[in-house]
Amino acid sequence: NAGVTQTPKFRILKIGQSMTLQCAQDMNHNYMYWYRQDPGMGLKLIYYSVGAGITDKGEVPNGYNVSRSTTEDFPLRLELAAPSQTSVYFCASSTNGNGYTFGSGTRLTVV
Amino acid sequence: DQQVKQNSPSLSVQEGRISILNCDYTNSMFDYFLWYKKYPAEGPTFLISISSIKDKNEDGRFTVFLNKSAKHLSLHIVPSQPGDSAVYFCAAILPSGTYKYIFGTGTRLKVLA
Repeated sequence: NAGVTQTPKFRILKIGQSMTLQCAQDMNHNYMYWYRQDPGMGLKLIYYSVGAGITDKGEVPNGYNVSRSTTEDFPLRLELAAPSQTSVYFCASSTNGNGYTFGSGTRLTVV
Repeated sequence: DQQVKQNSPSLSVQEGRISILNCDYTNSMFDYFLWYKKYPAEGPTFLISISSIKDKNEDGRFTVFLNKSAKHLSLHIVPSQPGDSAVYFCAAILPSGTYKYIFGTGTRLKVLA
């Protein structure tokens, strides 16, 4: 049982490049989330999904896009990367709200 | 506007003593609170939770206290162990059905052997 799997673990992007952060869960959870964590800050919600085909914006959605075509996968797309998007990105899933299961994170640096 | 605040960025405690981590919130509509523990290079892991209808929840060495009138919750770890050294986040949730948590900024706990 892998839980929540995030790939890649590390990535360096140049300004203006695009990339997709992958997130997959094998627990049949309906709810999935993307958070970012900046130094000294808490986790900020980027986007979330309550089920396949349904996504919605969180607190800091600008510069990102998501899709949820299956229950298992919730990729996060960065278009035109900017230095402000340098962060650690966490994907999480939940079935009943009583605690998330987090992935191990993707550390992204935009230079 | 930080709705969930952890005002102590770090805390050092001797092994065997009590660790008390604090969290304040501003929105009285929050109905569920959780604590997560995070080790370096790992994702946060769920530790303990409490519903707004309770004032205490205990799980082994970990106890969470909720004071709704003061909009304050705390996590007590007794006795503290070196393996407890991590960053602790409190989180709160509104009764919206989407289970979107709002996280505090975290407190780094260091338990000294």
